[in-house]
Amino acid sequence: DVKVTQSSRYLVKRTGEKVFLECVQDMDHENMFWYRQDPGLGLRLIYFSYDVKMKEKGDIPEGYSVSREKKERFSLILESASTNQTSMYLCASRFRGGYTFGSGTRLTVV
Amino acid sequence: ELKVEQNPLFLSMQEGKNYTIYCNYSTTSDRLYWYRQDPGKSLESLFVLLSNGAVKQEGRLMASLDTKARLSTLHITAAVHDLSATYFCAVDRPGSARQLTFGSGTQLTVLP
Repeated sequence: DVKVTQSSRYLVKRTGEKVFLECVQDMDHENMFWYRQDPGLGLRLIYFSYDVKMKEKGDIPEGYSVSREKKERFSLILESASTNQTSMYLCASRFRGGYTFGSGTRLTVV
Repeated sequence: ELKVEQNPLFLSMQEGKNYTIYCNYSTTSDRLYWYRQDPGKSLESLFVLLSNGAVKQEGRLMASLDTKARLSTLHITAAVHDLSATYFCAVDRPGSARQLTFGSGTQLTVLP
């Protein structure tokens, strides 16, 4: 089974901090995604990557950036965290049969 | 722009009853997914529907796809408490990366 690992389950950060959320997959998949999940809004796509060093904006990229230096790792960066970025963040990896999601990082910005 | 609408958003049902969750999407897509999410947990894949008329069943859940109507349904038969969760449908967007667009989710509570 594909495994998608998000390094932190819970994070509390201060407003203005630079925040790194890490995601690692173990199956050499090319496509990886970052979503945020908020009540009543479902999951919304922040950024995705289809290969090393390749990235594209999703639907809500403002305030975020990403990095993919190695195929297995896709990082989400909050350049200057704000309280409206308090959310659940889910990473996903795509394979032929569908997607595998990580366990999520619940980020609170205070 | 692809939009996915799911209804109802909230559903309380008694054990033993049947109900259907609906998922409409706005543009052509060749894959539709159903996921389950328990509180505080990640998404668990339930079904992947690939073609018009596709029907898949697992236990008390059955999913179907009508690509002409751009409609998928998730039917729950004789609900039990263990089915309480949030259910999402999601649709592949066209393009090489095929990122998913999600519905808002249906929070299902099965009451004894």
